[in-house]
Amino acid sequence: DTAVSQTPKYLVTQMGNDKSIKCEQNLGHDTMYWYKQDSKKFLKIMFSYNNKELIINETVPNRFSPKSPDKAHLNLHINSLELGDSAVYFCASSQGAEGYTFGSGTRLTVV
Amino acid sequence: GDSVTQMEGPVTLSEEAFLTINCTYTATGYPSLFWYVQYPGEGLQLLLKATKADDKGSNKGFEATYRKETTSFHLEKGSVQVSDSAVYFCALRGGSNYKLTFGKGTLLTVNP
Repeated sequence: DTAVSQTPKYLVTQMGNDKSIKCEQNLGHDTMYWYKQDSKKFLKIMFSYNNKELIINETVPNRFSPKSPDKAHLNLHINSLELGDSAVYFCASSQGAEGYTFGSGTRLTVV
Repeated sequence: GDSVTQMEGPVTLSEEAFLTINCTYTATGYPSLFWYVQYPGEGLQLLLKATKADDKGSNKGFEATYRKETTSFHLEKGSVQVSDSAVYFCALRGGSNYKLTFGKGTLLTVNP
């Protein structure tokens, strides 16, 4: 009965590969997000969808593409992975002005 | 744009010591303010929040008061425990934008 679930939890892949991270929330929230946390723990928003509509698209390389098939799912696809993409990626959801509920993160390591 | 500045860590305390982690913000309008906690290897959990000036958020012995005059939202706890060891993030959410802007995080280590 996890509220925000991400898969996979760990992802190790070679440079140049394409990979996807999936996120699902069962809270009935309208808005979902992707955040990147670097090795110094700094959190930076990447994308946000509200009811399947893209509302936040920060300065992120075009290799990153979010997809929201419905308001309960927000997936992140990354093309041509680079060493600098190594980080922990967090999915989150929210409703209205409430705080976010975060997933447990996906640790991506590019070798 | 919106920004959050919190005290640099790491912070190391002995069990039962008093904790303060300073947080100040810059935002247009009247943001909502949050403290999140991240335990090792886990995602972020909402610790407490305040949505308007002079509100006090509290949870698990932690408190923070929304001070509009000083644009601050300092986190305090009267007596920390080893289990409080984690990274603490101050965050704000401004206006009609859903985006949550985080501070850089403060690592707290509590020794027995």
